[in-house]
Amino acid sequence: AQSVTQLGSHVSVSEGALVLLRCNYSSSVPPYLFWYVQYPNQGLQLLLKYTSAATLVKGINGFEAEFKKSETSFHLTKPSAHMSDAAEYFCAVSGGGSARQLTFGSGTQLTVLP
Amino acid sequence: DAGVIQSPRHEVTEMGQEVTLRCKPISGHNSLFWYRQTMMRGLELLIYFNNNVPIDDSGMPEDRFSAKMPNASFSTLKIQPSEPRDSAVYFCASSWTSGRAGETQYFGPGTRLLVL
Repeated sequence: AQSVTQLGSHVSVSEGALVLLRCNYSSSVPPYLFWYVQYPNQGLQLLLKYTSAATLVKGINGFEAEFKKSETSFHLTKPSAHMSDAAEYFCAVSGGGSARQLTFGSGTQLTVLP
Repeated sequence: DAGVIQSPRHEVTEMGQEVTLRCKPISGHNSLFWYRQTMMRGLELLIYFNNNVPIDDSGMPEDRFSAKMPNASFSTLKIQPSEPRDSAVYFCASSWTSGRAGETQYFGPGTRLLVL
């Protein structure tokens, strides 16, 4: 069984500040990890994913995440927040093999302050 | 590519009525997923098809919910009879599933369902 915990349901940062959204996972098999973003009234869009290649994964819109097995973490970062980054962010885990389905975290709403 | 297409985008119905949600996956994808999003429960997988065959329907809430995928380009999620607690956003997603895992799921825009 897999699960994801996102610490902080709401995060506020100032424009230009560092964005850090936390995600910890639990998986009985080597995990595949994803970050999705959801803008208001839209579907989910993939930001980046970890599939056991490089532990530092770069995604779209300047986001990146680092897989740390020892900490069972996959935190999402962006060096400088932009107003357009305001959205809800979801971390998800897939167990691979026949378990194709994604298990999502509860989401983190990011607010960017001017 | 047109992406995953869902219809209708919004649905308002009365308790007891039948509701049918529709999804057209991305052409060439062989896996399709139905999710439900609510404030209380977040994003939940309802059912997952691979090559038009239901693989895992353990997330379907109860017998009032049913899903079909008659061909590779169309799927429906039906609720009969609908209840107010079914009010949610329903997402369809598709992916290309090969021997390797970790494939990306592409989400549609969702159907906002309100049951009065």
